[in-house]
Amino acid sequence: AQSVTQLDSQVPVFEEAPVELRCNYSSSVSVYLFWYVQYPNQGLQLLLKYLSGSTLVKGINGFEAEFNKSQTSFHLRKPSVHISDTAEYFCAVTPSEFGNEKLTFGTGTRLTIIP
Amino acid sequence: EPEVTQTPSHQVTQMGQEVILRCVPISNHLYFYWYRQILGQKVEFLVSFYNNEISEKSEIFDDQFSVERPDGSNFTLKIRSTKLEDSAMYFCASSGGGGATDTQYFGPGTRLTVL
Repeated sequence: AQSVTQLDSQVPVFEEAPVELRCNYSSSVSVYLFWYVQYPNQGLQLLLKYLSGSTLVKGINGFEAEFNKSQTSFHLRKPSVHISDTAEYFCAVTPSEFGNEKLTFGTGTRLTIIP
Repeated sequence: EPEVTQTPSHQVTQMGQEVILRCVPISNHLYFYWYRQILGQKVEFLVSFYNNEISEKSEIFDDQFSVERPDGSNFTLKIRSTKLEDSAMYFCASSGGGGATDTQYFGPGTRLTVL
């Protein structure tokens, strides 16, 4: 079984400041890792995913995440945030074996951008 | 851009009543999912569906729940006799192919309130 921990339920950040949203996971098998974003009144949208290869993954809207296998982490970062980044961010994992596509999510981090 | 749609956006029902939550997946997608999020908790997998049958379900998905693809476009989740603890946001998702590498596209959710 897999589990995902997002320690920060809320993160307030000033506009144009950098941000890091933390995600740690636990799994006895290899996993793929995802970050989803949910803007107000919208569905979950994929920001980026790590499947294999380079541990630094770039996604949409200037976000990137780094997979650290030894620390079982997949933290999300952005060097300069905008008001439009205000949203809920979810980290998720799924086992990398074929046919098992169930996503296991963390509890989410609400990012609030302060003008 | 194609998107997953869900209706209604908010459903209020009395305990013991049946509810049907509706989803229209992206048109050429073959794999369908339901997740739910109880307020303040994690997004949890409920069920996956492919080729007109359930491919995987969680322990939450008991006999009170059922899924159906009644026609070529809709995907429904039925809760036969709702309980207070069924109050949650229900998300539908679809993907073009099975397997962990295929991105799941989520709808905006239906908020179910059981009184």
